[in-house]
Amino acid sequence: ETVLTQSPGTLSLSPGERATLSCRASQSVSSRYLAWYQQKRGQAPRLLIYGASSRATGIPDRFTGSGSGTDFTLTISRLEPEDFAVYYCQQYGSSPYTFGQGTKLEIK
Amino acid sequence: QVQLVQSGAEVKMPGASVKVSCKASGYTFSSNNIHWVRQAPGLGLEWMGGISPSGGNTNYPQKFQGRVTMTRDTSTTTVYMELSSLRSEDTAVYYCARRMATAACFDYWGQGTLVTVSS
Repeated sequence: ETVLTQSPGTLSLSPGERATLSCRASQSVSSRYLAWYQQKRGQAPRLLIYGASSRATGIPDRFTGSGSGTDFTLTISRLEPEDFAVYYCQQYGSSPYTFGQGTKLEIK
Repeated sequence: QVQLVQSGAEVKMPGASVKVSCKASGYTFSSNNIHWVRQAPGLGLEWMGGISPSGGNTNYPQKFQGRVTMTRDTSTTTVYMELSSLRSEDTAVYYCARRMATAACFDYWGQGTLVTVSS
């Protein structure tokens, strides 16, 4: 099973700042089969990025995914108030599909 | 527009079973697999498996094999997830989610169903 470890656990930033979230896999994620989701309190997750770097439909271009192998990054270039939420990475290159434990992005 | 609408909250005794439904609309039902992901209170996301609406083929991770059953009804475009031998650790919000056509990640999600296991 591929274990995904996200860091930091909590990130405190202000609107307008840049956020960098990390997701490290215990083994190489084949063909960059990595996704990022945003989840707000009381809501279902929302797909942001798939294939490590492709934005899902309707996702603003301030969200950028990058990385390969075992190290992946989600960057939010200029934080908007609505971006403060919990972010999860997911690998779907090998079964069982697994998620990271999440990074909480909070307002400083 | 694509919608996945789930059934309402359930309270079950330990050892019982629960069956949650997920009605899909706004797209061709047979085109995309439906998966289930659960989230225990205050915790992260856990994949439970998926089903192909066209052929009914299922894919369950080892952790849930023997305890989870996913079925579908093509006449009502509804997918079902039944979990048996419930224990307190199964208390969670259960989500159905549509698999993308080109990648095994999930582009549309249901609203979630809270299942509480308690004596």
